[in-house]
This record gives sequence, structure tokens and C-alpha cells, in this order.
Amino acid sequence: GDSVTQMEGPVTLSEEAFLTINCTYTATGYPSLFWYVQYPGEGLQLLLKATKADDKGSNKGFEATYRKETTSFHLEKGSVQVSDSAVYFCALIGGSYIPTFGRGTSLIVHP
Amino acid sequence: EAGVAQSPRYKIIEKRQSVAFWCNPISGHATLYWYQQILGQGPKLLIQFQNNGVVDDSQLPKDRFSAERLKGVDSTLKIQPAKLEDSAVYLCASSPEGQTYNEQFFGPGTRLTVL
Repeated sequence: GDSVTQMEGPVTLSEEAFLTINCTYTATGYPSLFWYVQYPGEGLQLLLKATKADDKGSNKGFEATYRKETTSFHLEKGSVQVSDSAVYFCALIGGSYIPTFGRGTSLIVHP
Repeated sequence: EAGVAQSPRYKIIEKRQSVAFWCNPISGHATLYWYQQILGQGPKLLIQFQNNGVVDDSQLPKDRFSAERLKGVDSTLKIQPAKLEDSAVYLCASSPEGQTYNEQFFGPGTRLTVL
């Protein structure tokens, strides 16, 4: 079946540091890929998505590129802020239409 | 627009008791999802509805879990009887269209503790 593997957290950074959260996947066909974010005390919300190979999703300074050759969808941000502290989930929807989520990566940004 | 509503927000029960969760999706959203999120893990899909029909329930433990979506709007998820390992956050989400690669809108979740 489909699966998503994320790097383990927590990831701890200082404000304005560069962020990468790795995500790789296994799926049949050509899945759509997503990053969701969960801020403390809130529900999950979509951060960005990409629906085909080489697409780049972007939002709020975050970016991720759909790399079919490496089956990856790594999340990046050039300069993180304290307000970016949250749990980030990589997810996919493949040919089965069943959404599959990774375990989540906690990001802690210090002033 | 109003978001996905869930109730209750918290529930504590003894093992072997029954419990029910309620979800009201965003108005007009055809697809509704129920997830189980165990602490430290990502959400796991339990059941997916499109309108009032079941699209997928392959990961729903049908010996104890049941779900329905009456009239294609609200939905309830029931556990009977509960086990200790059912302690988790139960998330409801909805999407505006059918089986396409659309954004899911999540509710705040119901945190269940089984003692």
C-alpha cells in the first residue's frame, strides 16, 4: 500500500535559520502530494500541494517540489520565524483515493 | 464560512463502554473523512464517505467501530465496546468535491481517553 516517511523530530532552529523537512513516499501511479501544518491547539490545515511531477507548491514562504525520480517532497523555508513552530505532516492521495499521512515532524523555532 | 464542527472535544470513558462522536462538515462538501490519530503518529483514515455512500472503510475495525452519514451531511462515528488502544484523537475532515485531489478541511478533533 501507499506510505509516507518523514524525518523524525523535533527539529529545533533559531529564528531566520533555513528549514528542510524531508519527506519520501511510496505509491502506485502518480499521487498528489501535500504538506499540512498543525499549530498548537488547532486543527490540521493545508500548507501547500503539488499534483504532478516537477510541480512546486508554495505558501507563506514554504516551498516543496514534487520529485518523481527520488519519490520525495521535501519542505523548505529560507528563514523561519517563531510563529512557524508547529507540527508538519506530509501526505499523499494516490490512485486508491485513500489519503495517507506521515507521522509528522515537530518544528520548534527559538527567538 | 463556518469550518468543520466536531463534538464533544474531549471524552473519557471506561473500557468496554460505548462512545459516539459527531461531525458537521462544511456546507456543500460532498466528501467526509474520519481519521484516528494516535499520539506521536499521523492521522490514519478510518472511513471515507462521498455524500451518504461509503467510498472506503478498509481500515475501520468493523467489529467495534461503525459510522454513518445521514442525508449526506452530518456524520457520527461510534465505538462499541471501547478498548484501551482506542485512546486517540478522532479527526473529521471534509472536501468540496468527490474523489479528486482536493484540499481537506479538518475539524478540531475529539480527544478520547479510555481507562
